[in-house]
Amino acid sequence: DTAVSQTPKYLVTQMGNDKSIKCEQNLGHDTMYWYKQDSKKFLKIMFSYNNKELIINETVPNRFSPKSPDKAHLNLHINSLELGDSAVYFCASSQEGWDTGELFFGEGSRLTVL
Amino acid sequence: QKEVEQDPGPLSVPEGAIVSLNCTYSNSAFQYFMWYRQYSRKGPELLMYTYSSGNKEDGRFTAQVDKSSKYISLFIRDSQPSDSATYLCAMSRYQGGKLIFGQGTELSVKP
Repeated sequence: DTAVSQTPKYLVTQMGNDKSIKCEQNLGHDTMYWYKQDSKKFLKIMFSYNNKELIINETVPNRFSPKSPDKAHLNLHINSLELGDSAVYFCASSQEGWDTGELFFGEGSRLTVL
Repeated sequence: QKEVEQDPGPLSVPEGAIVSLNCTYSNSAFQYFMWYRQYSRKGPELLMYTYSSGNKEDGRFTAQVDKSSKYISLFIRDSQPSDSATYLCAMSRYQGGKLIFGQGTELSVKP
């Protein structure tokens, strides 16, 4: 069973479109995250939710809207896609107040905006 | 200046070599230090975790933290081709806090 699963794995779309990425974790964790990894491998946090409540909201354009229907799911919707949004988006989860720094990452959703 | 600096490499070594990977950081408030390994087209996975200064060893891997120099290292002994991956350092100011990642160093171990 995959611990953190994201769909879709690949998205190719045109500028200006809207797209969503879904994430589910079956680890029973309370905290979920969205990270963005750019072409230079920089991994940067975008959002963090704890028990469906938004905890961290980095300086992310408001075209990005996360949504957590329950603590096992965290989705990311992106409006009006731009070229600079091309990246790999990782969902992750952890225990609340992790004690070993362990985040469990999904395999990533590779977004290409043309 | 980024909070966490890491040489992106790529670094290529022969099998059996000792590998040294490093990160420097600017925020003295960081207390929790981690190394993640990321295989191609996969998500990162935790490799080592250290709190504050000191060393930690796990098999062929040793993590070192020198808070006075704001410098952390990961050593891999007897490197194997299966160690070929990108290694990302990460750190946090407090337990449960936001992880700040380095850029990652791409390592290739040649048979």
